[in-house]
Amino acid sequence: DVKVTQSSRYLVKRTGEKVFLECVQDMDHENMFWYRQDPGLGLRLIYFSYDVKMKEKGDIPEGYSVSREKKERFSLILESASTNQTSMYLCASSPVEYGGGNTIYFGEGSWLTVV
Amino acid sequence: QKEVEQNSGPLSVPEGAIASLNCTYSDRVSQSFFWYRQYSGKSPELIMSIYSNGDKEDGRFTAQLNKASQYVSLLIRDSQPSDSATYLCAVTGGSYIPTFGRGTSLIVHP
Repeated sequence: DVKVTQSSRYLVKRTGEKVFLECVQDMDHENMFWYRQDPGLGLRLIYFSYDVKMKEKGDIPEGYSVSREKKERFSLILESASTNQTSMYLCASSPVEYGGGNTIYFGEGSWLTVV
Repeated sequence: QKEVEQNSGPLSVPEGAIASLNCTYSDRVSQSFFWYRQYSGKSPELIMSIYSNGDKEDGRFTAQLNKASQYVSLLIRDSQPSDSATYLCAVTGGSYIPTFGRGTSLIVHP
């Protein structure tokens, strides 16, 4: 089974703090993603990485950065947390499958509250 | 702008009935189609994937794809209260980045 692990499940941080959300996948997938999910807004892509040290902005990258130093690990960084970043954050990974596939697998989610 | 549309619901069905969930997409070059189930407070989990036109069955679930109409659906037979969740449709095309619908809330009442 594919395992995507988000080490921090529930966090409470203060406004202005730097926040790190870590994600590790064990299936040697090339692609990794960070989403946030808010009621009524669905899943919104923050950043995407298709290889080590490679990253692409998603739909809502403002206020976030990412790091992918190793293939299995993709970190999301909130440089200066703000209350509007209170959300559930989902990490995901997918393989590169030419001709179709690319099934995306999610971690269990990280609930972040910024006060 | 690639779009995936789902009726937000809630769709309410009695236990034992067939639940039909629908999804339309805008990108004609879409290749892969996925259905995820998400319980409240949990992350999405993959139910089914489908890549070619027609039906694909897995237990009580059947995915149906019609690329000409840009339409994919999920049928749940013999619906159970434990099927009550939000169902997300996802579509990928030439890139590896999936586009998700906002989900349909399903309620199965005893």
